Amino acid sequence: NAGVTQTPKFRVLKTGQSMTLLCAQDMNHEYMYWYRQDPGMGLRLIHYSVGEGTTAKGEVPDGYNVSRLKKQNFLLGLESAAPSQTSVYFCASRERLTHATNEKLFFGSGTQLSVL
Amino acid sequence: SQQGEEDPQALSIQEGENATMNCSYKTSINNLQWYRQNSGRGLVHLILIRSNEREKHSGRLRVTLDTSKKSSSLLITASRAADTASYFCATGLTGGFKTIFGAGTRLFVKA
Repeated sequence: NAGVTQTPKFRVLKTGQSMTLLCAQDMNHEYMYWYRQDPGMGLRLIHYSVGEGTTAKGEVPDGYNVSRLKKQNFLLGLESAAPSQTSVYFCASRERLTHATNEKLFFGSGTQLSVL
Repeated sequence: SQQGEEDPQALSIQEGENATMNCSYKTSINNLQWYRQNSGRGLVHLILIRSNEREKHSGRLRVTLDTSKKSSSLLITASRAADTASYFCATGLTGGFKTIFGAGTRLFVKA
């Protein structure tokens, strides 16, 4: 199994450009997440989804949009990139919460985004 | 503001010594998890402890949870150079959907 796959791995944008980061998981997980990681800040939750067709805001949602049209894919969009969005972006997924579920997250390998 | 705060921010020890990292959090939780991140890589889950548990072991890892103090500790015994990484605590919030991370502890184990 591939697990959680993120594309692209690296990207450089100019201020104002737009782009979409793709996350795909092959574990049939219901829940998917986008985090950003900045030095000294740990991971901060941007948006998340608890099922196909649903999305919700996390801690730092401004400047980002997401879509979950298919259960296995979770897209993160930047409509007008800003230098403050320079970061490493991680996608994660996990099983739906039930009494028997281990709530651990499975992470992709990350996308390094630089906005000039 | 972030839910979890790790202490210390950085830790340097000799191979064979034990490493202890602490995590404090602010709100009610379902569980607390510890993750490891090697440089330039994604996070890997290490261990999960539920809010009604006080201690859990997995190989060389020992996690404790004190919900009255809203704190947890991760102990790595007999550390190895390969344990060099960043370690993050993460809290599964009551309500069930979100997992919130702390800023992490950078561990360096000298051979």
